[in-house]
Amino acid sequence: EAGVVQSPRYKIIEKKQPVAFWCNPISGHNTLYWYLQNLGQGPELLIRYENEEAVDDSQLPKDRFSAERLKGVDSTLKIQPAELGDSAVYLCASSPQGLETQYFGPGTRLLVL
Amino acid sequence: SQQGEEDPQALSIQEGENATMNCSYKTSINNLQWYRQNSGRGLVHLILIRSNEREKHSGRLRVTLDTSKKSSSLLITASRAADTASYFCATENLYSGGGADGLTFGKGTHLIIQP
Repeated sequence: EAGVVQSPRYKIIEKKQPVAFWCNPISGHNTLYWYLQNLGQGPELLIRYENEEAVDDSQLPKDRFSAERLKGVDSTLKIQPAELGDSAVYLCASSPQGLETQYFGPGTRLLVL
Repeated sequence: SQQGEEDPQALSIQEGENATMNCSYKTSINNLQWYRQNSGRGLVHLILIRSNEREKHSGRLRVTLDTSKKSSSLLITASRAADTASYFCATENLYSGGGADGLTFGKGTHLIIQP
């Protein structure tokens, strides 16, 4: 069974530029999460989707961050414009409906210069 | 924001020894989970313990949960070099109607197993 796929794995951009991250969850997993992980810290939830509906986006900085999961499968997380403080690893995770265990992708490491 | 704190922040032991990591959290929970993260990789789920359970085992892993003290411990017995990683506890908070809510992670314990 293929795991959660994320791309790109690494991204270097200059501040004020836009950036987008893509996630393909495990087939059949209804729930999809985006987390942000700063160096030396644990992941912090940005947004949670149940199918195509964002059911928890309270931690998403909506002035510059946006996310979508149009067909309830793949998801895209966007930052526009990026700031220096956005440098971090962006993790995507998915889980089957009704189960608490989450399956994480390898993450996208973003460096904003 | 981080829910809990792992203790210690870093731990270095010899191969074959047991490793114990502790986690404290702040709010009432549905369950507590432990994840492992190897350097530069995603997190891997290790074990889940529910709020009405006190102890759980999985292979070389033993997890305890004390909801009165809002704390948990992870014991890895007979450690191996491959166990070198960061270990995170994560809680699913008691406010939802069930299902797979977002997890609140601690800062992690960095474990080094020396051969």
